[in-house]
Amino acid sequence: EPEVTQTPSHQVTQMGQEVILRCVPISNHLYFYWYRQILGQKVEFLVSFYNNEISEKSEIFDDQFSVERPDGSNFTLKIRSTKLEDSAMYFCASSGVRGRVYGYTFGSGTRLTVV
Amino acid sequence: QQQVKQSPQSLIVQKGGISIINCAYENTAFDYFPWYQQFPGKGPALLIAIRPDVSEKKEGRFTISFNKSAKQFSLHIMDSQPGDSATYFCAASRYNFNKFYFGSGTKLNVKP
Repeated sequence: EPEVTQTPSHQVTQMGQEVILRCVPISNHLYFYWYRQILGQKVEFLVSFYNNEISEKSEIFDDQFSVERPDGSNFTLKIRSTKLEDSAMYFCASSGVRGRVYGYTFGSGTRLTVV
Repeated sequence: QQQVKQSPQSLIVQKGGISIINCAYENTAFDYFPWYQQFPGKGPALLIAIRPDVSEKKEGRFTISFNKSAKQFSLHIMDSQPGDSATYFCAASRYNFNKFYFGSGTKLNVKP
């Protein structure tokens, strides 16, 4: 079964450092997403990306965050200057061969720990 | 504003019992309601989903019941097994929109 692959599985970074989380979406999907889950809390939408541009972002997704699809296979989330409160699981998802919710698949996540 | 409210927060069920998790939503424009299962260290995985043109959908031991007038939907797990122990999230979306609104999650523990 097709998978969304995320690397690394766990990243520890110092406060103020830049971090890049990487994702390889399912190959024929058209829509790409990032969500985050603070420990013990619900999954929250950050951003969606389609046709090489952001289609929607939440209030969490401020100027410290950016997304990019640098080539035909990768989708990245960059946090420019990490804060302690950025510590969370970050999930990439992809969807949309036949519609945005069709085949909506999450990766296993990257646990980001900011110290 | 909490778009999707989920209860209970945690649930303990004996093996073979029925697990019931409830969700309520606010936005009447929502028209797609999935349930996700999440094991520790893993991403949410789609379990079953329903659209509001039906009141019930069953897949194996998992059933979604949907009450459009009450803006509520629930997940029933029949013959619960220890392997069902996980966190379950309900979610809601507009079918052709970008994102899901997730409930706060229910941690299910099925005791042998």
